[in-house]
Amino acid sequence: DTGVSQNPRHKITKRGQNVTFRCDPISEHNRLYWYRQTLGQGPEFLTYFQNEAQLEKSRLLSDRFSAERPKGSFSTLEIQRTEQGDSAMYLCASSQEGVGTEAFFGQGTRLTVV
Amino acid sequence: GNSVTQMEGPVTLSEEAFLTINCTYTATGYPSLFWYVQYPGEGLQLLLKATKADDKGSNKGFEATYRKETTSFHLEKGSVQVSDSAVYFCALSGSSGNTPLVFGKGTRLSVIA
Repeated sequence: DTGVSQNPRHKITKRGQNVTFRCDPISEHNRLYWYRQTLGQGPEFLTYFQNEAQLEKSRLLSDRFSAERPKGSFSTLEIQRTEQGDSAMYLCASSQEGVGTEAFFGQGTRLTVV
Repeated sequence: GNSVTQMEGPVTLSEEAFLTINCTYTATGYPSLFWYVQYPGEGLQLLLKATKADDKGSNKGFEATYRKETTSFHLEKGSVQVSDSAVYFCALSGSSGNTPLVFGKGTRLSVIA
């Protein structure tokens, strides 16, 4: 297994456009997480899935953001009507369920909204 | 809710110096505690963890002890190397195992030869 894979690595888009990111987790992991990271800050939780069920969404998550994990495998994160404030690194992580289990992170997708 | 506070950076040390990065947390029950590291150009990776009080996590010469009485998980290394230059993040997950990781803001460490 090559670890958590995210595509694309970089995305530049114009304000108002929609963007979609993909995450392929480690195959035996049933949990998948999305985080957002801006410069000088730690990762901020967005949402997570256990298998195909979306178990939690951050209260800070705008309704322009939506995530799916069909069939409990890969996941997509879509941002509609992008704004400049959406510019950030979007991180995906996966883990086994359980107390204290390690989350493995992908290298992220850097979004720039111009 | 759960939260993590870690010391502000950047921290600049000479090679072979002693390193401490402070981390305190707020959580109910007994969370699991982690230190993640982000090397330049790379993704976040786990450095060490501890899942119960008084446990010590260790890896690559780094150590941290889970102190319930002071709600702390300070990261230490006795002799840093240039290759330790990175951003270090303290994080916790809830005691139920059903809550996602909550991260601190990160501390950038630069080690100079």
